[in-house]
Amino acid sequence: NAGVTQTPKFQVLKTGQSMTLQCAQDMNHEYMSWYRQDPGMGLRLIHYSVGAGITDQGEVPNGYNVSRSTTEDFPLRLLSAAPSQTSVYFCASSHRSERMNTEAFFGQGTRLTVV
Amino acid sequence: AQKITQTQPGMFVQEKEAVTLDCTYDTSDPSYGLFWYKQPSSGEMIFLIYQGSYDQQNATEGRYSLNFQKARKSANLVISASQLGDSAMYFCAMRGAGTASKLTFGTGTRLQVTL
Repeated sequence: NAGVTQTPKFQVLKTGQSMTLQCAQDMNHEYMSWYRQDPGMGLRLIHYSVGAGITDQGEVPNGYNVSRSTTEDFPLRLLSAAPSQTSVYFCASSHRSERMNTEAFFGQGTRLTVV
Repeated sequence: AQKITQTQPGMFVQEKEAVTLDCTYDTSDPSYGLFWYKQPSSGEMIFLIYQGSYDQQNATEGRYSLNFQKARKSANLVISASQLGDSAMYFCAMRGAGTASKLTFGTGTRLQVTL
C-alpha cells in the first residue's frame, strides 16, 4: 500500500521560478488537501478538494494554484516562488464521510526552500 | 472559525513516567472531532487518537488516552509509561461537521523523553 505519495521530497527554487508539487493517493479517497508547516505555526490549510473537478481555498491560498482532474492526483502549483513560501508541504487525503472520526492520511512531506 | 491552542512549546519527561500535553479549542460547531498526531524527527504525520464531541467516554489507544473536558473545551493527550521513541512533535487538531478535508491544527508541543 503506497498511501499518499508526495514528490519531490526536497526542492530548492530561485525566487520567481514556478514548480508543481505532486501528490497522489491510491486509497480512492474523495477528499484531498494541501497544508504548509512553518516553525511555531503548526500546519495551515492551503487548498482542498472534495472530489474530482472541485477545489476550494483554505487559510493561506495566495501564491498557490491547485486542480483535481482525477480522484488520485492533487498537484500544488507555485506560480512565482517567493522566500515566504519556504516551508514543509504536506498533502493529506481521507474518505468522504459524515463520521467525525474519519482519519486523514498524510504524505511524507516536501521540504521547499526558496532562495 | 475554529481555533486550537497548545500552550506548551516544549516538554521534558523521564522514561517510564506519564506526561500530559495540553490542548484547548474553540468552535461554534455543535459537532466536532478532535485528533492528535505525532511527528517524529523523520517528518511524517502519524495519527494517534480521536475524540468525538458527543463521545461519552474518553478515548484510549494503548498508552495514549485523551482527557476530554467538554465544558472547559480541552482535549489533553496523556501518554503513560513514556518511551524514548515518544520523543517527537505532537499536534492537536480538530474538524467540524461536514469538513472532513479541513483540519485546524495547533502549533504543536515538542516532547523530549530522557533517561
